[in-house]
Amino acid sequence: ETGVTQTPRHLVMGMTNKKSLKCEQHLGHNAMYWYKQSAKKPLELMFVYNFKEQTENNSVPSRFSPECPNSSHLFLHLHTLQPEDSALYLCASSQKPGVPYGYTFGSGTRLTVV
Amino acid sequence: QQQVKQSPQSLIVQKGGISIINCAYENTAFDYFPWYQQFPGKGPALLIAIRPDVSEKKEGRFTISFNKSAKQFSLHIMDSQPGDSATYFCAASATGNQFYFGTGTSLTVIP
Repeated sequence: ETGVTQTPRHLVMGMTNKKSLKCEQHLGHNAMYWYKQSAKKPLELMFVYNFKEQTENNSVPSRFSPECPNSSHLFLHLHTLQPEDSALYLCASSQKPGVPYGYTFGSGTRLTVV
Repeated sequence: QQQVKQSPQSLIVQKGGISIINCAYENTAFDYFPWYQQFPGKGPALLIAIRPDVSEKKEGRFTISFNKSAKQFSLHIMDSQPGDSATYFCAASATGNQFYFGTGTSLTVIP
């Protein structure tokens, strides 16, 4: 399998649930990213990982907790979310942060918080 | 403050027509300007990109026009086809820094 794969594709969770989003890239990239995509808004960068180390956290609430066990896998752990957190969550990867070439997105997880 | 402003929000074009989407930016440190295409249920995919040392880049039916002095760039889709119906995002980045995306344009090409 090639590219950036995200699972699950759709997720419905209650505000008291705990769930995790998974992202896997088979491109040999060293940087991975989480983005939030809401209707009529620019893509919001949430977290950046470079060689498994978190290099950026754009003031994301603590109810979102990322984990990067290796350069190929990225998780987003979710707990006590709010309805306004409903959105498409996109994972992306690139050769390294700050190098825009080869920036590749996954298909996203459509999250609905009820 | 929104780093990249994109317009229009939505666009309807007849098949065979020209689709034009515009973006504007303020940060003169930006040196890479890509356009992404996103189909429903898919993530954004790189369509075409330009650096500020050229004023135009063409790939097939897709052309980026870049105006450095006006700090504007635009995507032109010639001979638009129904298969081009998607959401288009412009973006900008400065080397070593993150991307900033526009709000997206929903393009519908009517057969």
